[in-house]
Amino acid sequence: AQSVTQPDIHITVSEGASLELRCNYSYGATPYLFWYVQSPGQGLQLLLKYFSGDTLVQGIKGLEAEFKRSQSSFNLRKPSVHWSDAAEYFCAGGLTNEKLTFGTGTRLTIIP
Amino acid sequence: GAGVSQSPRYKVAKRGQDVALRCDPISGHVSLFWYQQALGQGPEFLTYFQNEAQLDKSGLPSDRFFAERPEGSVSTLKIQRTQQEDSAVYLCASSAPTGGRETQYFGPGTRLLVL
Repeated sequence: AQSVTQPDIHITVSEGASLELRCNYSYGATPYLFWYVQSPGQGLQLLLKYFSGDTLVQGIKGLEAEFKRSQSSFNLRKPSVHWSDAAEYFCAGGLTNEKLTFGTGTRLTIIP
Repeated sequence: GAGVSQSPRYKVAKRGQDVALRCDPISGHVSLFWYQQALGQGPEFLTYFQNEAQLDKSGLPSDRFFAERPEGSVSTLKIQRTQQEDSAVYLCASSAPTGGRETQYFGPGTRLLVL
């Protein structure tokens, strides 16, 4: 079955430290992959997307993600987090970009 | 407006009532999507329109759920005879045709609570 898995339900990071949020996918072919962020009471904001080509994708807010076919992963990274990065992060995928499957999300807490 | 808008933002319904949730997509966006997000979960696909045509409704959980987009712009998600398990945030998204690399832009959602 097609699926997107985010193994970490909750991550706590100190302000200024680096961040990596994990995402694994299971599809019969290379899917389109996305990272979204959701703040309380808000909709989903697109951070970055992978369709094909360069496996290192740059996004907004200093974020990047790397597509690794051998590991079926699309992990999100940031070299230095800010308190404003605290939110819920969702990885999503699809064989078309019309019917996305979302992971269950990773809640990011930033401590001073 | 610049983004996807949804109304109402909050809805409380008694079990058995019918509700209608509205989505206004970004102007010019051809595709429109509905997702259901239960508490503590990621969004789950419900249905998808391209213009006024409903191309995929495989995610609708039961025949109590019905969506329409009669003029290819505004869409309404209707839930008949609401049940407590329908309590969730309903998200709408839209996208523009960009040669196969469409990105879905989401609205703020409607939070439905069924008592």
